[in-house]
Amino acid sequence: EAGVAQSPRYKIIEKRQSVAFWCNPISGHATLYWYQQILGQGPKLLIQFQNNGVVDDSQLPKDRFSAERLKGVDSTLKIQPAKLEDSAVYLCASSLGTSGAFTDTQYFGPGTRLTVL
Amino acid sequence: AQSVAQPEDQVNVAEGNPLTVKCTYSVSGNPYLFWYVQYPNRGLQFLLKYITGDNLVKGSYGFEAEFNKSQTSFHLKKPSALVSDSALYFCAVDSSYKLIFGSGTRLLVRP
Repeated sequence: EAGVAQSPRYKIIEKRQSVAFWCNPISGHATLYWYQQILGQGPKLLIQFQNNGVVDDSQLPKDRFSAERLKGVDSTLKIQPAKLEDSAVYLCASSLGTSGAFTDTQYFGPGTRLTVL
Repeated sequence: AQSVAQPEDQVNVAEGNPLTVKCTYSVSGNPYLFWYVQYPNRGLQFLLKYITGDNLVKGSYGFEAEFNKSQTSFHLKKPSALVSDSALYFCAVDSSYKLIFGSGTRLLVRP
């Protein structure tokens, strides 16, 4: 079974530039998550989708971050414009659950390491 | 607010010795607790979870965790450490359908 795919693996940009990350979840998984992991910290949930609808985006900085999951499969996370403090690893995860409950095991992709200069 | 704490930034053990990685939690209601492991340049991998039932939970790669309600702890354990167990370990709690992660504990197993 293929895992969660993410691209690119690494990205270096200058502040105020834009960047986009792509995630392809495990086939058949209804729920998709984007996390931000700053160096030395645990991952923090940015947004959760169930199929193509947003379940929770309370911790997404909406003035600069946006995410979409068209057709309920792939997802894209965008930052525009980037700030220095956005330097982090961005993790995508998916779970089978259709209820959105976190008792469903989440499977994580390898992440995209973003460096903002 | 729901939270987890991992009091040790790093744990060092010799190969073959037992290991413990500590986690304490603060939740209202029934806790749903998780352990994940992160290897360099890779995403998090699920190890085990406690939802209800037996306080001793067995997971992947020979790991287990003991849920202790009175001490609000969920420590990760393994009877005999391997060098390949060296990685970053995260404890997490389900909080209103969000996973709240601890800050992580780096495990270093020396040969």
